[in-house]
Amino acid sequence: AQSVTQLDSQVPVFEEAPVELRCNYSSSVSVYLFWYVQYPNQGLQLLLKYLSGSTLVKGINGFEAEFNKSQTSFHLRKPSVHISDTAEYFCAVNSPGGTSYGKLTFGQGTILTVHP
Amino acid sequence: DTGVSQNPRHKITKRGQNVTFRCDPISEHNRLYWYRQTLGQGPEFLTYFQNEAQLEKSRLLSDRFSAERPKGSFSTLEIQRTEQGDSAMYLCASSPPAGGKDTQYFGPGTRLTVL
Repeated sequence: AQSVTQLDSQVPVFEEAPVELRCNYSSSVSVYLFWYVQYPNQGLQLLLKYLSGSTLVKGINGFEAEFNKSQTSFHLRKPSVHISDTAEYFCAVNSPGGTSYGKLTFGQGTILTVHP
Repeated sequence: DTGVSQNPRHKITKRGQNVTFRCDPISEHNRLYWYRQTLGQGPEFLTYFQNEAQLEKSRLLSDRFSAERPKGSFSTLEIQRTEQGDSAMYLCASSPPAGGKDTQYFGPGTRLTVL
């Protein structure tokens, strides 16, 4: 079975400050990792994904994440946030095979609030 | 590419009533997924289809829930004899057929409130 833990339920930060949203996963097989963002009253939008290769992944809106296999982590970072980044962020895991094939397992979400 | 659409966006019903939601995936996406999201939680997998075949169902999907995808196009999710615990956001997603590495594109969701 797979699981995802997002270590912070809420992260407040001031505009133009850096931010890191933490994600740890558990899986007995190799994984694909995703970060999605959900704005109020909207569906989930993909920010970035790790499939293989370089462990540093760059996504939309200036976000990036680093896959760390030894620490089973996939933390999301942005060097300078904007008010418009205020949203809920979800880390998710999928697998290329096994019983979890084809479905995403999500963390509980982290609400990022950017203050002026 | 018009994205994934879901109807209705909101549904309020009384306990014991039946409800049906519809999802229209991105055209040519042969995989379609249903998830349920409750307040303060991440989405939880319910079921998914490859074309018209329902390939997996979560144990969260009780006998009161049924999903169909006739002709491999749109999908419907029906909940019979609704309970207050069914109140949630029901999300639909679709993806092309390249396995777990593909991005799942999500619709805006249907918010169900059971009174």
